[in-house]
Amino acid sequence: GAVVSQHPSRVICKSGTSVKIECRSLDFQATTMFWYRQFPKQSLMLMATSNEGSKATYEQGVEKDKFLINHASLTLSTLTVTSAHPEDSSFYICSARGRGTGGDYGYTFGSGTRLTVV
Amino acid sequence: SQQGEEDPQALSIQEGENATMNCSYKTSINNLQWYRQNSGRGLVHLILIRSNEREKHSGRLRVTLDTSKKSSSLLITASRAADTASYFCATVDTGGFKTIFGAGTRLFVKA
Repeated sequence: GAVVSQHPSRVICKSGTSVKIECRSLDFQATTMFWYRQFPKQSLMLMATSNEGSKATYEQGVEKDKFLINHASLTLSTLTVTSAHPEDSSFYICSARGRGTGGDYGYTFGSGTRLTVV
Repeated sequence: SQQGEEDPQALSIQEGENATMNCSYKTSINNLQWYRQNSGRGLVHLILIRSNEREKHSGRLRVTLDTSKKSSSLLITASRAADTASYFCATVDTGGFKTIFGAGTRLFVKA
């Protein structure tokens, strides 16, 4: 089945630095990538949607200059948290939709990245 | 933005019992999906039910969908301790393809 590889799984960074999270589709072409954020004991909140080769569409309340999304190829999308602060500490998950995915199998999710900003 | 509510927020049962979780949503949907998430881990897709379907089974899982009430339920029969996890419903609306998640139910199955 479709697999999305997300790295790193866990990262700790200092306040003010930037962190890049990668999601790669391993055996399909991810035409669309969704990025979610999940705070402890809460649900997943959609942050942005990106289509390959075009600018990401951000949900209301999500700062596009802080959360930079790049989807330059059909197999790679990145989320960069710029000038991270402790309140950005969260679990970030990507989800891919592509040719041959979805249908009765839902969308494919990465395994998530636990970001801790100290 | 959140799509809907799930209840209960938390559920604690004994192994062997059935667990029922409910989900309500607000907009017209293309399909509704249920996912499972173990603590601090990624999501596992369990089952998808289309808007023109009313019931679907997969192993010990049974999902119902009532589009007139904009609600769905997930039944896990003969629960096991390994079923302990958070369960989320998610909808894809008719206007697009974004997957929006409900608040989730935390299930704890006691051995």
